[in-house]
Amino acid sequence: GAVVSQHPSRVICKSGTSVKIECRSLDFQATTMFWYRQFPKQSLMLMATSNEGSKATYEQGVEKDKFLINHASLTLSTLTVTSAHPEDSSFYICSARSWGGSSYNSPLHFGNGTRLTVT
Amino acid sequence: GNSVTQMEGPVTLSEEAFLTINCTYTATGYPSLFWYVQYPGEGLQLLLKATKADDKGSNKGFEATYRKETTSFHLEKGSVQVSDSAVYFCALSETGFQKLVFGTGTRLLVSP
Repeated sequence: GAVVSQHPSRVICKSGTSVKIECRSLDFQATTMFWYRQFPKQSLMLMATSNEGSKATYEQGVEKDKFLINHASLTLSTLTVTSAHPEDSSFYICSARSWGGSSYNSPLHFGNGTRLTVT
Repeated sequence: GNSVTQMEGPVTLSEEAFLTINCTYTATGYPSLFWYVQYPGEGLQLLLKATKADDKGSNKGFEATYRKETTSFHLEKGSVQVSDSAVYFCALSETGFQKLVFGTGTRLLVSP
């Protein structure tokens, strides 16, 4: 089946530094990728929708200058947390919809997530 | 706005017990409903789905029926196994939209 690889699985960084998280679709082309974050005991919250070759669409309340998303190819999207602070510590998960998948009937394929800890 | 409410966990069961994980939703339109499962160390996987009222989704012995009158999509399994231990997420997607709205997830622990 379709596989989405997310890297790194865990990262610890110092406050003020930037962290890049990669999301790759390994055996399919993903025109659309989604980035979620999950705080402890809370639901996955959609941060942004990333379309290949165009600017990401951010959800209300998500700072686009802080969470930079790049979707330069059909198999790779990156999320960069810039000038990270302890409150950015969270679990970040990407997902991808394969080329041609209908908007609500086809399943998303999820990465394993990245645990970010900012000290 | 749209939302999904799941029962809090963890749910702890013995092997072969009956499982129910409750899920209710609020939506302005006619959403599709999903159950996703996350096994330890893995990404979320689609477990089952239903796209319209009274549809029943089923997979791997799990079932859920789309109940429009009670806005519910409860997950059930007649006899759980240790290998079913995971976190289960209920989710919805509005017609024509790509975004999924998730519940908080329910951790299931099955002991031998």
